[in-house]
Amino acid sequence: DTAVSQTPKYLVTQMGNDKSIKCEQNLGHDTMYWYKQDSKKFLKIMFSYNNKELIINETVPNRFSPKSPDKAHLNLHINSLELGDSAVYFCASSLNYGYTFGSGTRLTVV
Amino acid sequence: AQSVTQPDIHITVSEGASLELRCNYSYGATPYLFWYVQSPGQGLQLLLKYFSGDTLVQGIKGFEAEFKRSQSSFNLRKPSVHWSDAAEYFCAVGESYNQGGKLIFGQGTELSVKP
Repeated sequence: DTAVSQTPKYLVTQMGNDKSIKCEQNLGHDTMYWYKQDSKKFLKIMFSYNNKELIINETVPNRFSPKSPDKAHLNLHINSLELGDSAVYFCASSLNYGYTFGSGTRLTVV
Repeated sequence: AQSVTQPDIHITVSEGASLELRCNYSYGATPYLFWYVQSPGQGLQLLLKYFSGDTLVQGIKGFEAEFKRSQSSFNLRKPSVHWSDAAEYFCAVGESYNQGGKLIFGQGTELSVKP
C-alpha cells in the first residue's frame, strides 16, 4: 500500500497543452503539498492545503491550479504548458511534522 | 526569512571513508530539522530528523546528525561510506504550522563514492 501515490509517473506533452497530476495519500494526514524540483534539483514549495483549505500559494503562475476535493487528495492542473514547466513535481503530506513524499512526476514539455 | 544552506554542491569520498555533509539554517524559533536522501530517479527518503532533546540524532543506513544551536548547523555524518550511498542529500527545516508547515530545503549536496 503506497502511502503517497502520484499519477502519472512520467508525462510528456507539447507546449500549450493542459495536463493534470493526481496525488492521493492514505496516511490520514491533514496537510498536503506540491513541490517542484528543477533541473538543478532544487526543491521549492508551490502549494499547501490543510483539510482542503489553501494555506500556501507561493509565487506560482496562474496557469497552475491545485484542487483538493478532500483531505486525502491534492491534484495539480496546469494550463498552457510552457517549456520552463519541465521539472519533477512531488506531492507530499504531513501530520505533526512527519512528512511523506510521493515518488514524483517527471513532466517534460516539448 | 527562513533558509537552509548546504555549502557543498558536490562531494566525492572513497568507499570506506568517513563523510560529513554540512547544513546551516536560519530560523527564528526552535527548528524542526530533517535530512533526506534522493537516489537518481527516485523520490525523497527521510534519513533522520531533529525536533528536540538529544542533539545527536541517529537515523537509518548508519547516518547520524548533530544539532548545534550556537552554530545554526545540523551536519550529517557517516563513519564509513558505502558505494550505495551515492545520491543527492537534502537538509530541510520545517516551518511552524501557523506559517504553513512547509519544508524549506537546502540546495542539495551530490555525493559521489570512489571505489
